[in-house]
Amino acid sequence: EDQVTQSPEALRLQEGESSSLNCSYTVSGLRGLFWYRQDPGKGPEFLFTLYSAGEEKEKERLKATLTKKESFLHITAPKPEDSATYLCAVQENSNSGYALNFGKGTSLLVTP
Amino acid sequence: EPEVTQTPSHQVTQMGQEVILRCVPISNHLYFYWYRQILGQKVEFLVSFYNNEISEKSEIFDDQFSVERPDGSNFTLKIRSTKLEDSAMYFCASTRGYNEQFFGPGTRLTVL
Repeated sequence: EDQVTQSPEALRLQEGESSSLNCSYTVSGLRGLFWYRQDPGKGPEFLFTLYSAGEEKEKERLKATLTKKESFLHITAPKPEDSATYLCAVQENSNSGYALNFGKGTSLLVTP
Repeated sequence: EPEVTQTPSHQVTQMGQEVILRCVPISNHLYFYWYRQILGQKVEFLVSFYNNEISEKSEIFDDQFSVERPDGSNFTLKIRSTKLEDSAMYFCASTRGYNEQFFGPGTRLTVL
């Protein structure tokens, strides 16, 4: 059973059409939740870290929020260059080596 | 801005051959990681390395895999006898602690 589930798997938006991506997680003790962006054939690019429920982080058109069971990545007025796969990953308190457990990602396509 | 580098970008090998993937982590980072991503699948944790020893490893990281930090800058992943199912993108990552991990561009390994 996956500990990190992202939805939707794919999302197509018109430029300027705001939306949210979801990441739900089931871990016993969350140390941190991370959002990454991944372009095709490239490595994940760090976006945000959230550590506690109620926390919010913002960067340009992106805003990440965290509750005790899920995180949202809100995209406001997206542009075509925001097209990418967005990955969510959790880090558990029990991980001695601080490993990240990734979800399968949401593939976002923003059309002009 | 400092970044993680990886070589080669693409490695093609025959089944049963040994391969070494190389990474140069960010210079003041202390924790080093290898992840892999099979085409179309999620990013999976392999191993974490701290203070010249493995701090955590996944079920994927069996006896065919080994890691080494041969000098003050390089971090390597060795696969002793490659299998077809080892074909994937391999990502190196580094961090100063339990916070955000920075990923390299990846090495695409193709096993024939």
